[in-house]
Parts: sequence; C-alpha cells; structure tokens
Amino acid sequence: NAGVMQNPRHLVRRRGQEARLRCSPVKGHSHVYWYRQLPEEGLKFMVYLQKENIIDESGMPKERFSAEFPKEGPSILRIQQVVRGDSAAYFCASSPTGWDEQYFGPGTRLTVT
Amino acid sequence: EDQVTQSPEALRLQEGESSSLNCSYTVSGLRGLFWYRQDPGKGPEFLFTLYSAGEEKEKERLKATLTKKESFLHITAPKPEDSATYLCAVLGGGATNKLIFGTGTLLAVQP
Repeated sequence: NAGVMQNPRHLVRRRGQEARLRCSPVKGHSHVYWYRQLPEEGLKFMVYLQKENIIDESGMPKERFSAEFPKEGPSILRIQQVVRGDSAAYFCASSPTGWDEQYFGPGTRLTVT
Repeated sequence: EDQVTQSPEALRLQEGESSSLNCSYTVSGLRGLFWYRQDPGKGPEFLFTLYSAGEEKEKERLKATLTKKESFLHITAPKPEDSATYLCAVLGGGATNKLIFGTGTLLAVQP
C-alpha cells in the first residue's frame, strides 16, 4: 500500500538548467499539491492540481515554474533556468478529496550550484 | 490573511516530562486544523485532523485539542523517539484547498 512517491530524492542542477520533479500520489487520490520548504521557513503552498486541471497556482512564481497532472502518469513540477534561490526541499502531497488530510511524500531536495 | 503561529519555536524536555505545544490561528472559515510530525530529511507525517471547537483527538502519548482561536498538542510522558518538529496547518474557506502551515515546534526529548 504505497504512499506518495517522489523522485528523484536529491537533484543537483547548475544555474540555468531545468529541474523536473515527479510525484505519484496515493492510489485513488485525485488531488495533488506541491509545497516548498526553505531552511528556517515553514512549508509554503505552491500549486493545487486535479487530473488534467490546475485548480490554484497562487503560490507558484509566475515565471520559470510550471506544474501538470496528466490523465496518465505522475504529476510534474518543472523549474526552468534554475537559480540558487530555487534550492529547497519540494514536497508533494495528495488527498482523496479536497478537504481531507493531505499525505506527504518524502520530498525532493534540489540544490542549485 | 490566513495565518498560523506556533510556540514555542523549540522545546527541550526530559523523558517523562509532559508539556504542550501551541498553535494559534486566524483564518476565515476554518474547514480543518491538521497536526503533522516531521523528522529531519523526511516529509511531514499526518497525525490528527480537528474540525470544530471542542474537538479532541488522541494517539498514544499525543492529544490534540481545538478552540476557536488555537489548538494544543499535549504530549504526555514523552520518550526520546517523540523528538521531531511538530507542524500545525489550517485549511481555510474558499475554493482552494491549500494548507497554511506554521513554522513548527522543534521538540527534543532527552533520556
């Protein structure tokens, strides 16, 4: 009974490269969320998706960041032309409905050199 | 603006020394308050959901309570394995289902 899966667990990118983070929700969950955690800061909401739809992207920077949750396959958080300030832990969460508890994955730790 | 404040930032206890963590919140139309535990290098682990003032939930040495302005996580006779960061989050009103998190309380339980 797998929980939320994220890969890769660690990702190193040079400035200007692209980062792709993947998230497979708990089986049967159709609501997916992405959060970012910076050192000494709390978890910050980025985007909320349902299958093939972005519901709320109010926490996501308007440039360089995009997210998708296709009909088939994992959810993807894509960061283009990464900068050092993008270095953080990125967590994906899923829930069966929009108002239940969200279950988190182990996170992807992105380091930009 | 929805906001969550947790206190204290850090707490050091001796094994068996009970205490409480506080989570105060301001939110328009609370739909749920959630407690998570996070160990270093891992994702948050769900503990409790509270929906309305007066509600209480228990699990082993942990008990969560909720009022209209704050929630408490009571830890009874803690053990070293309870050491972790405890996060509080709220789900407010509106169409979005994003959680607003506090910055957490880092708990260290010494044997």
